Formats: sequence, C-alpha cells, structure tokens
Amino acid sequence: IAGITQAPTSQILAAGRRMTLRCTQDMRHNAMYWYRQDLGLGLRLIHYSNTAGTTGKGEVPDGYSVSRANTDDFPLTLASAVPSQTSVYFCASSDGDVNNEQFFGPGTRLTVL
Amino acid sequence: GQNIDQPTEMTATEGAIVQINCTYQTSGFNGLFWYQQHAGEAPTFLSYNVLDGLEEKGRFSSFLSRSKGYSYLLLKELQMKDSASYLCAVVDSNYQLIWGAGTKLIIKP
Repeated sequence: IAGITQAPTSQILAAGRRMTLRCTQDMRHNAMYWYRQDLGLGLRLIHYSNTAGTTGKGEVPDGYSVSRANTDDFPLTLASAVPSQTSVYFCASSDGDVNNEQFFGPGTRLTVL
Repeated sequence: GQNIDQPTEMTATEGAIVQINCTYQTSGFNGLFWYQQHAGEAPTFLSYNVLDGLEEKGRFSSFLSRSKGYSYLLLKELQMKDSASYLCAVVDSNYQLIWGAGTKLIIKP
C-alpha cells in the first residue's frame, strides 16, 4: 500500500441497507477525515479523528458513524442508507492538525436507490 | 454564516496565464489552501498561505490578503493537463476547514 486507499470504488445500494466504506492509510498520519462531495457544493466534512481512539463530528454527521481503533483504519458506516446519501465519499489523512496538507484517497462513488 | 466564493467556471488558452480568485467570509482565519482536482479523481495539494503575500511554486503562485479576505491562484504557461477544478479552503478560528465549491478551469488549444 502506498498512501491512502478506499474500498469499494463504487457501490449501488438499496435504501435501508447498512454499508461500511473502508479507508486505510500507511503514512502513520494521526489525523483522518471523511468528506462527501456533491455537484455544485464544496467538500463537506462528515466526521474526523485527530488520533487513534478519538473521533469528532463534522458539518454533516447525521446518518453516519465512524470508528478509529488504530492509526491506519478509519471506516465510515451508513446504518440505514437513504437516497440523499448518494454522493462521492473521500477519505483523507494529514500529519498533524488541519493546517497541514491533507492526502486524499481515490474516493467511493455511492448510489442509494 | 461562513462563505467561500469562487467563480464556477473559467476558460483559458494553452500557454496563457489565468488567475482564479477566492474570497472568504469566515469566523476567523488560520490559513488558506488551494487544491487541484481532475475530473473523477481526488483533490491534491497545491499551496498553503497563512501570511499576506505571494507564494511561488513553479508555474503556480498563490496570493493572500487577509485584510481583504481574498486569495488568488495564478497559473502560468498553461498546459492542457491543467484542465481541472481548483478548490479554495480556509481554516477558521475553530480550526475547521471550510471548502469552496471549486472553479472548473477549461484549457483550449
């Protein structure tokens, strides 16, 4: 692994189903982030983690949950997907705080029908 | 409320110079980023400004005026590969990163 990876690349999901988006980084960055990107809008922060064992809510956390059991992994779970969660999801990491460059994963394109 | 304004789309010619503006109204200021995002790909870091002035990095430069709540990204000697969206993002007083919607730059031969 080099950098930050996400899985799956894309997914079509029925409304009401549970889904976990995976994110793994091998850069030993302490901070990790989940964003969603919708057409015409800026990246919106869903959840973040400043260090393993801690998480925080971003701008649009409702309907999503995260965990940070270790430094490398930061999964995002949709407990019961709804069509408004159709979006492109990006995971990112940074070494230090938000004033440092963020490195982004390739994204997951999620469609909820 | 917090707001980042960028033009939605710009067009420029290969070999020319283009300036992409970003104005912000945020609760405080602790730094400004520019990222590049090619269609269907992830954003990648271009520049970071926290003090007033111009930061030059090869063909790309970024300028900041904190008193005016204004930044621009200057791209010189445009190449076709510069066709992408350019995202402006500001770190506010709560150390939250606020993102603009991005400027889609189209380069024509």
